[in-house]
Amino acid sequence: QSVLTQAPSVSAAPGQKVTISCSGSSFNIGNNYVSWYQQFPGTAPKLLISENNKRPSGIPDRFSGSKSGTSATLGITGLQTGDEADYYCGTWDSRLSGNYVFGTGTKVIVL
Amino acid sequence: QLQLQESGPGLVKPSETLSLTCTVSGDSVNNDNYYWGWIRQPPGKGLECIGSVDLTGYTYYNPSLKSRVTMSVDTSKNQISLELKSVTAADTAVYFCARRTGGAAPKFDHWGRGTLVTVSS
Repeated sequence: QSVLTQAPSVSAAPGQKVTISCSGSSFNIGNNYVSWYQQFPGTAPKLLISENNKRPSGIPDRFSGSKSGTSATLGITGLQTGDEADYYCGTWDSRLSGNYVFGTGTKVIVL
Repeated sequence: QLQLQESGPGLVKPSETLSLTCTVSGDSVNNDNYYWGWIRQPPGKGLECIGSVDLTGYTYYNPSLKSRVTMSVDTSKNQISLELKSVTAADTAVYFCARRTGGAAPKFDHWGRGTLVTVSS
């Protein structure tokens, strides 16, 4: 149902790097800023990256974001066991009267 | 420090109306820099934005839910509310309220803890 597509899961060993992709269209990612959210089980999502690549205060620089065309990417370097969580991209979708949309979500598994 | 707290019935019967309230503290719903939104997450599934509302009552609704949704702002109580009509089991979810920035880079920067609503007879 979501208009933004993410891989269901990615995995890597501690210390390694993972990238999570978010694919959309010109109605959303192509013409709007992308944010990323981190969610641990049973808790509310937390803003991780805003405006494609900006980290809110308190977010480690191990987390980075980028955007190209109608896709966005979240990178996590120096992977830690505490990074195991679900990650969602989000952006504005300008179809009809407009609404915020989230990606399908990606679970990061630390091996 | 901004806090959002969702409240409402945890159990709603099919075909009835789901009604939730979000109480905001540490900021005013009158703040014209922000919108106030509702997001839901069915058990084991992803996030879905239901919509958002600003201080004037202007709303942006998810097109797939628009016919059943009403959001409003109560500035006297510093609360936002959500009504979802004619619910079915598919509306069972954790419902989050959140603050959304406006402008060119909308994002949900503060979230409530969420409240589970189950639709069942």
